[in-house]
Amino acid sequence: QKEVEQDPGPLSVPEGAIVSLNCTYSNSAFQYFMWYRQYSRKGPELLMYTYSSGNKEDGRFTAQVDKSSKYISLFIRDSQPSDSATYLCAMSLYNFNKFYFGSGTKLNVKP
Amino acid sequence: NAGVTQTPKFQVLKTGQSMTLQCAQDMNHNSMYWYRQDPGMGLRLIYYSASEGTTDKGEVPNGYNVSRLNKREFSLRLESAAPSQTSVYFCASSLHTGEGYGYTFGSGTRLTVV
Repeated sequence: QKEVEQDPGPLSVPEGAIVSLNCTYSNSAFQYFMWYRQYSRKGPELLMYTYSSGNKEDGRFTAQVDKSSKYISLFIRDSQPSDSATYLCAMSLYNFNKFYFGSGTKLNVKP
Repeated sequence: NAGVTQTPKFQVLKTGQSMTLQCAQDMNHNSMYWYRQDPGMGLRLIYYSASEGTTDKGEVPNGYNVSRLNKREFSLRLESAAPSQTSVYFCASSLHTGEGYGYTFGSGTRLTVV
């Protein structure tokens, strides 16, 4: 069983839609949760970062962590064609020495 | 300000050949990492260097060696390339070990081993 599971998609939505991206994990000791965005043929770039449970909002993006269900989500409001990319979730233990990445969900926002 | 620079961007090797992937960062970061990315597998850590002069194995170190040449540069060497090492390789850096919020990735090296 993988430490982090993520639906690979692709997920195709019309411009302006609300997008929900999700990851599940198996290790209840994970403390730090991150979302990275990766455009085609580019390196990942950090989008959102949360510690432990709760929500974090940044503009059109909201990250949620539900530790009781071992489930994290990224919501994108008013999605734009420029949001078309692969979204990777990542998480780590308290000591931060090792990150566990999901395999990524490819999102396509159609104009 | 270039961030993390990887060279080369593309490479084709024959089985058994060797090569070194170069990575340099100009952000004065202490920690540097090498990942590989394969379809359906996500990013997997090969080696990392928490600080200048130290290196440690990650999740998939077999078939690779690394050198932390100085604070800026961290190279990855394939001594005898195998088709299973066909992948996209990313170098990343952070101010300290871990600190996901501080990870900066390079744009990747696409390696094909035939």
